[in-house]
Amino acid sequence: DADVTQTPRNRITKTGKRIMLECSQTKGHDRMYWYRQDPGLGLRLIYYSFDVKDINKGEISDGYSVSRQAQAKFSLSLESAIPNQTALYFCATSDFSGISTDTQYFGPGTRLTVL
Amino acid sequence: GQNIDQPTEMTATEGAIVQINCTYQTSGFNGLFWYQQHAGEAPTFLSYNVLDGLEEKGRFSSFLSRSKGYSYLLLKELQMKDSASYLCADHNTDKLIFGTGTRLQVFP
Repeated sequence: DADVTQTPRNRITKTGKRIMLECSQTKGHDRMYWYRQDPGLGLRLIYYSFDVKDINKGEISDGYSVSRQAQAKFSLSLESAIPNQTALYFCATSDFSGISTDTQYFGPGTRLTVL
Repeated sequence: GQNIDQPTEMTATEGAIVQINCTYQTSGFNGLFWYQQHAGEAPTFLSYNVLDGLEEKGRFSSFLSRSKGYSYLLLKELQMKDSASYLCADHNTDKLIFGTGTRLQVFP
């Protein structure tokens, strides 16, 4: 079984709809992240969470919200989707404890298309 | 803001050696990661450098110079499966700042 899973893997929706992307991990990591990837722009951080009670905005948080339901679950919501939110979305986790290097491990991605 | 610069595209021949360079701003630096990403797939961890020098892992090596804000990824004995994007990322104040990636095409 994959350590970091994302659902759905693909989603097509219409402008104005509310969308939730979910991420689960079995790595036991405290830190979780949401990124979007657009051609030519690389990976950009949307939100991150260092534990269940900690939520932080990243570089491009406008139009998005998150919920850290448990150590293993971190969901990303688009309250009212717009076409320029069409992108590939990745969840990642990392472990910053002891001698860990805080290496991030990525889920398989969710391809979201907003029409 | 933080700037990570790496070439957009590179090409090489199977069996050859290729070096992918990356420069970053040094303020707040806490380590340099390299990831490999095949088209449409997740980035996968390749290497991490926090001290100056060369780290070797099989066919892949990564180098860091903190004073120059410079790193490179060296790929030896290139194989067709090495065709992918290579992402340089600056570990900075508990976050990763990614470059836009270098798309490497390996030809037979």
